[in-house]
Amino acid sequence: DVKVTQSSRYLVKRTGEKVFLECVQDMDHENMFWYRQDPGLGLRLIYFSYDVKMKEKGDIPEGYSVSREKKERFSLILESASTNQTSMYLCASSPGGNYGYTFGSGTRLTVV
Amino acid sequence: SQELEQSPQSLIVQEGKNLTINCTSSKTLYGLYWYKQKYGEGLIFLMMLQKGGEEKSHEKITAKLDEKKQQSSLHITASQPSHAGIYLCGADIGAGNMLTFGGGTRLMVKP
Repeated sequence: DVKVTQSSRYLVKRTGEKVFLECVQDMDHENMFWYRQDPGLGLRLIYFSYDVKMKEKGDIPEGYSVSREKKERFSLILESASTNQTSMYLCASSPGGNYGYTFGSGTRLTVV
Repeated sequence: SQELEQSPQSLIVQEGKNLTINCTSSKTLYGLYWYKQKYGEGLIFLMMLQKGGEEKSHEKITAKLDEKKQQSSLHITASQPSHAGIYLCGADIGAGNMLTFGGGTRLMVKP
């Protein structure tokens, strides 16, 4: 089975801190995605990547950046965390085509 | 407005009752995926539908894609507390390798 692993289930950070959320997949998928999920707003795409060193902005990229140095790892970076970035963050990967996405377990980030 | 509308947004049912969740688009659904999310966790893949009129079942959950491929329904028979969670539909509506997601349906099952 494809596995998508997010490094932390729960994270508490202070305002202004630089935060790294890590995501690793073990099935050689080309595509990786970062979403945030908030009540009433559903899943919102932050960034995605179709290949190593390649990134594309999603619907809400402001305040975030990403890094994909290796195919299996896609990192989400909050350069200076703010309280409005408190959310559930979900990473997903996909081989493309009609294969859907496999999601990680999520990281619940609280910024205080 | 969302390109993929889910209804209802939330649902409370008595254990043992049947229920249906709908996912509707104005665009053709080239691939339709149902996911379940337990509160505070990631999304678990349930089923995928591709062909118009297709129906798939797993245990007490049945998903259908209509002939026009613009609406899918998820039906749970004899609901149990273990069915509680958020159900999301995701679909390929022709945006390349991207899936578009519905807003989710929060299901609560009262014992």
